[in-house]
Order: sequence, then structure tokens, then C-alpha cells
Amino acid sequence: AQSVTQLDSQVPVFEEAPVELRCNYSSSVSVYLFWYVQYPNQGLQLLLKYLSGSTLVESINGFEAEFNKSQTSFHLRKPSVHISDTAEYFCAVRPAGGTSYGKLTFGQGTILTVHP
Amino acid sequence: GAGVSQTPSNKVTEKGKYVELRCDPISGHTALYWYRQSLGQGPEFLIYFQGTGAADDSGLPNDRFFAVRPEGSVSTLKIQRTERGDSAVYLCASSLGESPKETQYFGPGTRLLVL
Repeated sequence: AQSVTQLDSQVPVFEEAPVELRCNYSSSVSVYLFWYVQYPNQGLQLLLKYLSGSTLVESINGFEAEFNKSQTSFHLRKPSVHISDTAEYFCAVRPAGGTSYGKLTFGQGTILTVHP
Repeated sequence: GAGVSQTPSNKVTEKGKYVELRCDPISGHTALYWYRQSLGQGPEFLIYFQGTGAADDSGLPNDRFFAVRPEGSVSTLKIQRTERGDSAVYLCASSLGESPKETQYFGPGTRLLVL
């Protein structure tokens, strides 16, 4: 079984400041890792994912996340946020094999609010 | 192209009634997933289809919940004898194939309220 913990339920930050949204996971099998974003009144959208290779992955809008196997973490960072980054962010894991590989397990979400 | 669509967008029903929620996946996507998101929580897995068959239904909470995908495209989630605790947003997702590397694309959800 897998579990995901997002350590902060809400993160307020000022525009152009850096931000880190923390995610830790637990799993008895190898997993793939995902960050999804949900903008106000919109559906979940994939932000970035780690499958293999370089432990640092990037999105097209400036977010990056680093897979740390020893700490079982996949924290999301952005060096300078914009008002438009205000949204709820979900970390998720998916087994790389086995019988439950269709299942995404999500954290409880972190609401990022960017203030002017 | 069109994304995952779900109907209705909102559904209000009374305790004890039967409801059906529909999901239209992205054209050509063979895998389809249902999740449930309660207020303040992340989505929770319910069931996953590969083609017409349910590959994993381990997330269905009890036998009041049932889902079908008879032709390998549209899926319907059925809830019998609804309870107030069933109130949530029901999300559908689809992916091109069943590989765990495939991205799951989510629909806007159906918000179910059981009075």
C-alpha cells in the first residue's frame, strides 16, 4: 500500500517570492511520482512527473520537483511565484508494477495563495 | 481536442435514492479511472477499467457502488441507496494505455449532494 503526506495544508506567499510545497510518501514497492494542480473552478491538471532518470524534473511554467529516495520525498519548488500560481496542489504516487498499478494515491492537498 | 467530460456537473438527491454518474473519456484512451474527493481531501481511488473490464475495484467502499464500461468507452458509476456520507465530488480520468507511466487526464467532476 502507498500513502502520501503533504505537510502543509495552506501556504501563503507574496508575489515573486520563492515557495516550497512539501510531499513525503510511503510505499513498499517502487513508485512513480506526480504533482497535479487544481486552479479555482477547474479540474486537476498534471504539473510534472518523475518516472526515472534525473531526480530533478521541471514543468513548463517554472516549477520543479526533486525525487529523494532516501528521504522518500518529492518536494515542489518555484523560485519566484506569480499571482496566477494561486491554486491547490496535490502530490500523488502510483505503483510502478504489481496489481494496483492503475491506482493513484493522493495527498490531502496544499492550497498555495500568492498575494500581491 | 476534447478532454474528459462528466455529466451531470451537479446532482442533488435524497437519501436512499439511486444515482448514475457518467464519464466520457478522451477518444482513443483505453484506461478509465474513477476517484472520489471529499471536502478538504485529496482524490481517493475507486475503480479502474482497462477496456471493458474492471482491472481493479479495490477502492469501491461497499456493494452499493458499482461501475460499468460496456463498450470500452463511456463509463457509468452507479450508487444505490445513497447516504449522506456519499456526498463528494466524483472524478473520472482516462489514460492512453494502462502503463503506470501514462498520465491520467481528469474531468471536471460531478458534485453529488445527498440530502
